[in-house]
Amino acid sequence: GQNIDQPTEMTATEGAIVQINCTYQTSGFNGLFWYQQHAGEAPTFLSYNVLDGLEEKGRFSSFLSRSKGYSYLLLKELQMKDSASYLCAVRDLSTGTASKLTFGTGTRLQVTL
Amino acid sequence: AAGVIQSPRHLIKEKRETATLKCYPIPRHDTVYWYQQGPGQDPQFLISFYEKMQSDKGSIPDRFSAQQFSDYHSELNMSSLELGDSALYFCASTQGEGTEAFFGQGTRLTVV
Repeated sequence: GQNIDQPTEMTATEGAIVQINCTYQTSGFNGLFWYQQHAGEAPTFLSYNVLDGLEEKGRFSSFLSRSKGYSYLLLKELQMKDSASYLCAVRDLSTGTASKLTFGTGTRLQVTL
Repeated sequence: AAGVIQSPRHLIKEKRETATLKCYPIPRHDTVYWYQQGPGQDPQFLISFYEKMQSDKGSIPDRFSAQQFSDYHSELNMSSLELGDSALYFCASTQGEGTEAFFGQGTRLTVV
């Protein structure tokens, strides 16, 4: 199995930059995903990392270090609509089956004026 | 573009009743996942199917069963419903590995 840890809550100001960290432990790592989820809605895909380094996509960037079991999601130029939960999910192949995504507990981000 | 379709969107059942949730993955996606998300909680993996065969099993109660059909749609059958089964049930689909999972809008099940 795997353990995935994220901060429970974060608060940031509109226009600022926020970094949401995720640490994980897994024996069959095969990719890390970040999803955004607004209350009562389906998670929506933000980014995917399988190799070490930074992936940039507009205002969102995600970083991965496989040796450290660590990732972060960076949100720039925060907008009020970015207030949501951000879920870190790890794909694990240690069970020997096709890909299975396991989610962390999520970080609830509140963007304030 | 076609997305993952789940039905029904909302379902109200009484305790000890049975419920069936349906999921239609994105065309050509071969893997389907089911997740349960309680209020204020992260999605919990229930079960997954790859090419119509069960590929992985998570914290799915014995009262629940699921299958994937020849057209790749999947159904989650829930029997002897309990109040604690009230949650959002998401279905997600992927095409092979190395691709993101796309989620359906979910089915909100309320057990009264």
